[in-house]
Formats: sequence, C-alpha cells, structure tokens
Amino acid sequence: KAGVTQTPRYLIKTRGQQVTLSCSPISGHRSVSWYQQTPGQGLQFLFEYFSETQRNKGNFPGRFSGRQFSNSRSEMNVSTLELGDSALYLCASSLYWSSLSGNEQFFGPGTRLTVL
Amino acid sequence: GQNIDQPTEMTATEGAIVQINCTYQTSGFNGLFWYQQHAGEAPTFLSYNVLDGLEEKGRFSSFLSRSKGYSYLLLKELQMKDSASYLCAFLPNNAGNMLTFGGGTRLMVKP
Repeated sequence: KAGVTQTPRYLIKTRGQQVTLSCSPISGHRSVSWYQQTPGQGLQFLFEYFSETQRNKGNFPGRFSGRQFSNSRSEMNVSTLELGDSALYLCASSLYWSSLSGNEQFFGPGTRLTVL
Repeated sequence: GQNIDQPTEMTATEGAIVQINCTYQTSGFNGLFWYQQHAGEAPTFLSYNVLDGLEEKGRFSSFLSRSKGYSYLLLKELQMKDSASYLCAFLPNNAGNMLTFGGGTRLMVKP
C-alpha cells in the first residue's frame, strides 16, 4: 500500500507570494491533518479535514487555508508569505475522524518551504 | 491551558536502556502518542496509550499515568539506528486527530 505522498518536496518562494501544497493520503484514509514543523516551535497543528469538511483548526492566521477533495486528497494554501513561514509542512492521514478516540496518523515526507 | 514538556536532548550507550519522560497538562484527554523522527524524515508512529499502564512492543515500551499527567518511552537494547528525535503528543477531548506535540527529545546513541 502506498504511503502518504506530498508534492512538491521542496519549494522556494519570496515574501508576499502565495503557495499551494498538496497531500495524497493512504488509500482508504479519509482524514487528513496538516502540521507545521520549525526548529523553534516544533510540530504545530494547522488543520484537519474529513469528508471535505474542516473539523479542527489550529492557532494560525487566516493566511493559512486548506481544503479537501472528494477523493480525500488535500491542499493547503499560504498567502502573502512571510519569512517566518519557512518550515517543513507535514501532512498526516488517518483512517477515520472521531471525537471520542484517537487513531494512528501516518505522516508524509513533508514539503520543505523556504521563504526568501 | 494545554502544555506538554519533554527533555531536549539525551545521550545513551549502544546496548543500554533509556527512558524518555513526557509531562502534559490538559483539561480533557483522549490519549498519548509517541512518534520517532529521524533527521530529514517524517515522524513514524511508535505507540498510543489511553489507559494507565505499560504497553510493550518489542524493544519499545510506553507508560501512562493519567492522574499524574505523565508518560515515558522506554527503549531497551539500544541500537545506533535508534538515534533520532522522539516526539510525545497528546490528544485533547473532542479534537478529532488534532495532536498537541512536545518539542521532541533528540536521542544520541553512542558506541
């Protein structure tokens, strides 16, 4: 079974630009979560999608947005890029979404975004 | 509020046992996860505890005490390939799969 795939793997942008990152979950997985990883802040939750609906959102500005398609693939968008947005963006897929219990999340290799 | 802490770095010797501690504070709790992350790679799932006690999986074991807000990951018979960051994360109530991660513990295994 193929794992979580993310494209592109590396990206260089300049301040003020916008960027779109893509994530394809493991086949059959319907929940996709996005995380930002930086040396200073560690892994921080951005948002989670299930059945094309955003279920949870982390404490990030509105410049960060996402969506999920009917095939469970997800994209996240960052507009008006700032230097501090340089980070590794990780996508994780899970089989289901539940408010009652956790389930294992499988992480993709990430997209390394550098903002100049 | 919510908070989670773990040591920044640890060093251990090949063949030894090491325990990585994690303490957390949250008003609602739905489980504690441990992930391993090698440099430049994605985190990989190690364990999930939702009830008090010890869960053993081969060389790795994870312990949880909900009343103390405390967990540890125990690695036995350390190998060089165990050099990695170990991430502790809790799942709040009614939060789907929204994990709150600690800063990670960088473990260096020396010969």
